[in-house]
Amino acid sequence: GDSVTQMEGPVTLSEEAFLTINCTYTATGYPSLFWYVQYPGEGLQLLLKATKADDKGSNKGFEATYRKETTSFHLEKGSVQVSDSAVYFCALEAGKSTFGDGTTLTVKP
Amino acid sequence: GAVVSQHPSWVICKSGTSVKIECRSLDFQATTMFWYRQFPKQSLMLMATSNEGSKATYEQGVEKDKFLINHASLTLSTLTVTSAHPEDSSFYICSASGEYEQYFGPGTRLTVT
Repeated sequence: GDSVTQMEGPVTLSEEAFLTINCTYTATGYPSLFWYVQYPGEGLQLLLKATKADDKGSNKGFEATYRKETTSFHLEKGSVQVSDSAVYFCALEAGKSTFGDGTTLTVKP
Repeated sequence: GAVVSQHPSWVICKSGTSVKIECRSLDFQATTMFWYRQFPKQSLMLMATSNEGSKATYEQGVEKDKFLINHASLTLSTLTVTSAHPEDSSFYICSASGEYEQYFGPGTRLTVT
């Protein structure tokens, strides 16, 4: 079946550091790929998405590129802020959603 | 963007009682809604897929008689946890399928004492 493997956390960075959270997937067909963010005590918010190979999703300084050849969708941000501290989930959707285990990011001032 | 609401946002109930959680798509119609369960510091686990006007499709290992799902209209799906036990305490999240993506509700925290 479909699966998503995310970089294990937690990740702790200083403000303005570069962020990469790795995500690889296994799926039949051509799924859409997503990054969601979850703040403490809240539900999921869509951060960005890509629906086909080579698409780049971007939002709030975060980017991820749908790489079919490496089955990856790594999340990057050039300069993180304290307010980016949250749990990040990589997910694929092919009829139904499959989520990675989540990566907790803590950004320190 | 599309909005999905859940009610209640949190609930405490006694062991043996039943609890109903509502999931509503506020500004769009959703033929399909999904129910997830999330344990602390863990990922979302899909419990069931709810299709309007038909029976829900449950994932393997999810007790359909314990977690009753009803999707009576294009904007409302309900999850009823029957005869709740402390191990049912969790964060329950619903999502609704829009035209291009899923939209998630804010979640319902259930605590069974």
